[in-house]
Amino acid sequence: KAGVTQTPRYLIKTRGQQVTLSCSPISGHRSVSWYQQTPGQGLQFLFEYFSETQRNKGNFPGRFSGRQFSNSRSEMNVSTLELGDSALYLCASSAWDRGEYGYTFGSGTRLTVV
Amino acid sequence: AQTVTQSQPEMSVQEAETVTLSCTYDTSESNYYLFWYKQPPSRQMILVIRQEAYKQQNATENRFSVNFQKAAKSFSLKISDSQLGDTAMYFCAFMKHSQGAQKLVFGQGTRLTINP
Repeated sequence: KAGVTQTPRYLIKTRGQQVTLSCSPISGHRSVSWYQQTPGQGLQFLFEYFSETQRNKGNFPGRFSGRQFSNSRSEMNVSTLELGDSALYLCASSAWDRGEYGYTFGSGTRLTVV
Repeated sequence: AQTVTQSQPEMSVQEAETVTLSCTYDTSESNYYLFWYKQPPSRQMILVIRQEAYKQQNATENRFSVNFQKAAKSFSLKISDSQLGDTAMYFCAFMKHSQGAQKLVFGQGTRLTINP
């Protein structure tokens, strides 16, 4: 079956702009999580969505937001971009609601803010 | 809050050797899951092995096995007969068992290089 698909793969934005990243989970997976990966901070949890509801949120400013659609696809939005937002953003999906505890990750979106 | 510590930032071994990556964690939970993920230069995080805390038997996946010591809160990964394709960043991760929200807590990673 198809894996987790993230688009775009690469993105370059200017400070102050906003950006939207997309994630399509594995078919049948209702949980989608987002993580930010940077060399300095490592992998940090952003938020998790399940059945269109945000269930958990990490310690990030309100500029970071997301949503999930009825088909489980998810988008993440970052407004008023800062240089420090440059990172690899990883999306992961899970079927923990069916007792399958584990996450499958996508290849990520590399965001560069200049 | 849970924390995961990987004390080896980098490791390097020769092809076909056995290598062990260390991971310790801190939690007050009694029921949880532990994972090892591999991230090659392609960036995709790939699940290597998973361990349920309530299972005493150590998980094994082909050349990969873990040594899970619950009392010591230790979860090391052993790679046998290492191959060039094993070169990657390896992350240890913790997730508590819950019917609600789920999140992974990652260690800082170990960069493993397999030399020919």
